[in-house]
Amino acid sequence: DADVTQTPRNRITKTGKRIMLECSQTKGHDRMYWYRQDPGLGLRLIYYSFDVKDINKGEISDGYSVSRQAQAKFSLSLESAIPNQTALYFCATSGDRVETQYFGPGTRLLVL
Amino acid sequence: GEDVEQSLFLSVREGDSSVINCTYTDSSSTYLYWYKQEPGAGLQLLTYIFSNMDMKQDQRLTVLLNKKDKHLSLRIADTQTGDSAIYFCAERRSSSYGGSQGNLIFGKGTKLSVKP
Repeated sequence: DADVTQTPRNRITKTGKRIMLECSQTKGHDRMYWYRQDPGLGLRLIYYSFDVKDINKGEISDGYSVSRQAQAKFSLSLESAIPNQTALYFCATSGDRVETQYFGPGTRLLVL
Repeated sequence: GEDVEQSLFLSVREGDSSVINCTYTDSSSTYLYWYKQEPGAGLQLLTYIFSNMDMKQDQRLTVLLNKKDKHLSLRIADTQTGDSAIYFCAERRSSSYGGSQGNLIFGKGTKLSVKP
């Protein structure tokens, strides 16, 4: 079984809809991250959490919110989706000595 | 500059060596990483190098670090078609550079195409 899972893997939604992307991990890591990937722009950090009570904004947090429900779960919400939020979203965790980040398989989101 | 820079594309022939280059920003970065992303998949750590090293070798992979020039490279020997992917360079910035422990700054990725 995968250590970092994301649901859904693909989602099509309409402008203005609320959508939640979920991430679960079995690695026992405290640190979790949400990134978005756009062609030619690489990975950009949206939010990160160093433990259940610690949530921090990343580079591009506007239009997004997160919830760390438990050590193993970190959800990303788009309160009112807009077309320029169409992207590939990745969840990641870290917790080893060299801060290796372990990535989920990604969620492909299309906002119409 | 503020960004981690990589060229966007590299094309090589099967069996040749590939060299992917990266310039990073924080001379105090403690760890530097190379990640690989295959089509339709998430990123996987390929290798990393600690800042007090200037070279690390792992089978077909060789990482070179030039701290003076803030330059990192990844050499793949005997490149195979299965090496076709996007390769991301990443740095872990020090707190004095505005970094947070555990946060990585990624380059935009180099797409490696291997021709048979």
